[in-house]
Amino acid sequence: NAGVMQNPRHLVRRRGQEARLRCSPMKGHSHVYWYRQLPEEGLKFMVYLQKENIIDESGMPKERFSAEFPKEGPSILRIQQVVRGDSAAYFCASSAAGELETQYFGPGTRLLVL
Amino acid sequence: AQKITQTQPGMFVQEKEAVTLDCTYDTSDQSYGLFWYKQPSSGEMIFLIYQGSYDEQNATEGRYSLNFQKARKSANLVISASQLGDSAMYFCAMREGGSEKLVFGKGTKLTVNP
Repeated sequence: NAGVMQNPRHLVRRRGQEARLRCSPMKGHSHVYWYRQLPEEGLKFMVYLQKENIIDESGMPKERFSAEFPKEGPSILRIQQVVRGDSAAYFCASSAAGELETQYFGPGTRLLVL
Repeated sequence: AQKITQTQPGMFVQEKEAVTLDCTYDTSDQSYGLFWYKQPSSGEMIFLIYQGSYDEQNATEGRYSLNFQKARKSANLVISASQLGDSAMYFCAMREGGSEKLVFGKGTKLTVNP
């Protein structure tokens, strides 16, 4: 059973470009979470989605960041007009309905903004 | 106020010895969950162990056990018989009742010496 997949693993963008991070949850999981980890810090919650719905986006910056989890395909975290402060590791996690206790994490996408 | 406090930025242990990583939490909820994750230098987040607030027994998973002291609001991770491969960052996290997001501590860097 494949784990949570994230791609790309590493992404380099110049200031002002767009970054698109993709996450495929574990098979059978319909809940997806995005977290951001700044250097030397713990993970910070960004957004929680179920298929086609944003359930909790309390951790998302108000501008430039958006997330979706369409009926078909992976979840996408989109960062428009990236700035250097967006450089971080972005982790996706997934859980199964009825087993929300445990979130399983993907390997993360390391975003570097030049 | 910090929801999760990990007071040990770094810990050292000799191979084959046991080590305790501290974690205290702050919540007014009666229902919550506590988690420990391991992050090796390769960067992925590995789920280790989970403790529910209503669980009467301390959680155990192989060499990992969680010393849950509810009245003191502590959830320390005990690793028995340390191995060189245990060298990593360790994060304590909490999920409060009614929320699916995890709140992480700043982590403890464990180094196992041969």
